[in-house]
Amino acid sequence: SQTIHQWPATLVQPVGSPLSLECTVEGTSNPNLYWYRQAAGRGLQLLFYSVGIGQISSEVPQNLSASRPQDRQFILSSKKLLLSDSGFYLCAWSVRGRGDKNIQYFGAGTRLSVL
Amino acid sequence: KNQVEQSPQSLIILEGKNCTLQCNYTVSPFSNLRWYKQDTGRGPVSLTIMTFSENTKSNGRYTATLDADTKQSSLHITASQLSDSASYICVVRTLTGNQFYFGTGTSLTVIP
Repeated sequence: SQTIHQWPATLVQPVGSPLSLECTVEGTSNPNLYWYRQAAGRGLQLLFYSVGIGQISSEVPQNLSASRPQDRQFILSSKKLLLSDSGFYLCAWSVRGRGDKNIQYFGAGTRLSVL
Repeated sequence: KNQVEQSPQSLIILEGKNCTLQCNYTVSPFSNLRWYKQDTGRGPVSLTIMTFSENTKSNGRYTATLDADTKQSSLHITASQLSDSASYICVVRTLTGNQFYFGTGTSLTVIP
């Protein structure tokens, strides 16, 4: 069966510090991968998605970046965190090429607090 | 503009009662609509997924309806349980591209 791992679960970082959140998927190959941010009381905002190794599409311009060094690994990074980067970050994957039945499976999320 | 709007924003019901959550969308071209349940501090979990040709789909005590003409969907929860307390999110996917549009969710609280 497929599983998605996301860590850490919670993170408290000072303003200006770097960030690295990691997400890995097991039990599938060539998944579509996504990074979302969910602010308190808000809907999910798509940050990045990837359809393959080294292929990253950015949805929202900001000081965050994403990388996909391996097929089932997706990393969210920042060189210098801002207060506004605080939020709940979710990684998700979906099977490529499933057409209308394409479902996203989410990780448990990372609660990031920038102080 | 592609948007997904959900109502009500929050809802409190007594255990054992039924409730209905609403989702209106303007996403086009439409591919499918799914409902997710998100427990506090956790990632969303898919409940149902419906395509253009499907009007009703059930998953246990959850029943989703879709009216593609009016671009409305509802999620009906019967005989609510305390464990139903969560945020319910409506997501619409476009037919072209890889776009998912999320509603802001309905926060449901079931009280004993």
